Amino acid sequence: RKEVEQDPGPFNVPEGATVAFNCTYSNSASQSFFWYRQDCRKEPKLLMSVYSSGNEDGRFTAQLNRASQYISLLIRDSKLSDSATYLCVVNYAGTASKLTFGTGTRLQVTL
Amino acid sequence: DADVTQTPRNRITKTGKRIMLECSQTKGHDRMYWYRQDPGLGLRLIYYSFDVKDINKGEISDGYSVSRQAQAKFSLSLESAIPNQTALYFCATSDSGLDRAGNEQFFGPGTRLTVL
Repeated sequence: RKEVEQDPGPFNVPEGATVAFNCTYSNSASQSFFWYRQDCRKEPKLLMSVYSSGNEDGRFTAQLNRASQYISLLIRDSKLSDSATYLCVVNYAGTASKLTFGTGTRLQVTL
Repeated sequence: DADVTQTPRNRITKTGKRIMLECSQTKGHDRMYWYRQDPGLGLRLIYYSFDVKDINKGEISDGYSVSRQAQAKFSLSLESAIPNQTALYFCATSDSGLDRAGNEQFFGPGTRLTVL
């Protein structure tokens, strides 16, 4: 079983739609959680951290369920510029700064 | 100017050749990493270094070696390249610390390596 699992997609949605991505992680000792964004043939960049209480950044909302070892990312009012691959990333306790990446979920927003 | 740079950006080589990929950063971070990315497998950690005197193997270090020449420079070598090392290679940096700020990694633009 992969340590961090994501549905690879692609998710094809029209502009303005709401789309949600899910991610599960296997190590219950996981400490920190993130969503990174990677554009085609580009480097990954941090989109947002994921906090236990859930957090929002504009159109993006991240949720964490520690009991179910589940992370989600919700994108509201999708824009064409949101088209990218979204990587779920986990840091395990005691492994400072070592991140484990999911394989990513591809999003394509269309007109 | 980019904070994390990688050279070369693209490289085609033959089986058995020695290859060095270089990474430089101007962010002043003490932690540096090398990853490879393959379709369907995501990013996998090859080596990481938390300071100039600290080198650690990641999950897929076989066939690779690294050198941390200075705080700002971290090189990855393939002593004898083989075709299954064809991949996209990323260097990354992060600040020290156990807090969330220490976990944000900043990536270079990547090196696309093809081994024939």
